[in-house]
Amino acid sequence: NAGVTQTPKFQVLKTGQSMTLQCAQDMNHEYMSWYRQDPGMGLRLIHYSVGAGITDQGEVPNGYNVSRSTTEDFPLRLLSAAPSQTSVYFCASSRDRNNYGYTFGSGTRLTVV
Amino acid sequence: SQQGEEDPQALSIQEGENATMNCSYKTSINNLQWYRQNSGRGLVHLILIRSNEREKHSGRLRVTLDTSKKSSSLLITASRAADTASYFCATDVGGSQGNLIFGKGTKLSVKP
Repeated sequence: NAGVTQTPKFQVLKTGQSMTLQCAQDMNHEYMSWYRQDPGMGLRLIHYSVGAGITDQGEVPNGYNVSRSTTEDFPLRLLSAAPSQTSVYFCASSRDRNNYGYTFGSGTRLTVV
Repeated sequence: SQQGEEDPQALSIQEGENATMNCSYKTSINNLQWYRQNSGRGLVHLILIRSNEREKHSGRLRVTLDTSKKSSSLLITASRAADTASYFCATDVGGSQGNLIFGKGTKLSVKP
């Protein structure tokens, strides 16, 4: 099992550009989430999904879109990148929120200039 | 807003000593989880404790939960240099919301 795979690992964008951060898991997990991590802020939830076709907003959803067309994939789209979106992005998945923790990807380090 | 708050923000101990980190949260929860993050890496799940549990053990880790005080503690016994990392508590409020809300973490440094 590969676990949770995030691509790319590093990305530099210019202000106003759009891009998609990819997240895929091969564990058949229903629950998937996107977080951003900024220094001194811990992890903040951007969007999450409780199953294919179902997504919802987290704490900091503005400027981001998600979709969940399959159980395996949960891409995060930046619509028009801003310097404030410079961060490390983590994708995570869980098979059962009540009994198991989340498995995290290794992260995407995004810089917006 | 942050649900959990860890205390202390930073902790420095010698190898072999015990490390205790605390977490306080604001609302009722379904479960509380602890994660470790090594520098520049993703988070690793350590332990999950349900709201009806008071204590849980996993190897050198001991987690307690006091729902009346809305607090939890993580004890690492006989710490090693390899335990150097940031530790986060995260709360799941349950229900239809798939949220896992993290605190800001405790940075643990274990000196050899």
